[in-house]
Amino acid sequence: EAGVVQSPRYKIIEKKQPVAFWCNPISGHNTLYWYLQNLGQGPELLIRYENEEAVDDSQLPKDRFSAERLKGVDSTLKIQPAELGDSAVYLCASSSGLAGAGETQYFGPGTRLLVL
Amino acid sequence: GDSVTQMEGPVTLSEEAFLTINCTYTATGYPSLFWYVQYPGEGLQLLLKATKADDKGSNKGFEATYRKETTSFHLEKGSVQVSDSAVYFCALIAGGGSNYKLTFGKGTLLTVNP
Repeated sequence: EAGVVQSPRYKIIEKKQPVAFWCNPISGHNTLYWYLQNLGQGPELLIRYENEEAVDDSQLPKDRFSAERLKGVDSTLKIQPAELGDSAVYLCASSSGLAGAGETQYFGPGTRLLVL
Repeated sequence: GDSVTQMEGPVTLSEEAFLTINCTYTATGYPSLFWYVQYPGEGLQLLLKATKADDKGSNKGFEATYRKETTSFHLEKGSVQVSDSAVYFCALIAGGGSNYKLTFGKGTLLTVNP
């Protein structure tokens, strides 16, 4: 069974440029998460989707970050414009959405972003 | 708010040594507790979990027991291998029927030398 797929794995951009990250969750998983991991820190939730609905986006900085999950499968996270402080690893995770709170979340390898 | 505090690294051990990585938490209700592992160049993988007090999670020789009285979930392994070198994250999902948010500790880097 294929795991969570993310692309690109690495991205280097100049500040003020836009950037987008793509995630394909495990087949059949209804719930999708985007996490931000700063260097030396644990991941922090940005947004959670159930199917195509964003059910928790309270931690997403909406002035520059946006996300979508059209058709309830793949998802894209965008930053526009990027700032130096956005340099981090962006992780996508998915879960079945059937086991309730506390169910296992499966993570992708992440996209490492460097903003110059 | 919910938080996880875990032992700061890095931790360096020789092969076959005993491993303990301490983890304590603060959370509302009765959280589910997790240990995730991140091998070099790879994504986070669930190592083990426990969903209620006194439960013991175990996998690949690692164990952790959910201790409600001390709000702890310490990770242990009796004999580590070089292949266990990785970053280990303790995490929780706070109690509540609709709560899915994982709250992570900062991670502990483990290096095992031959």
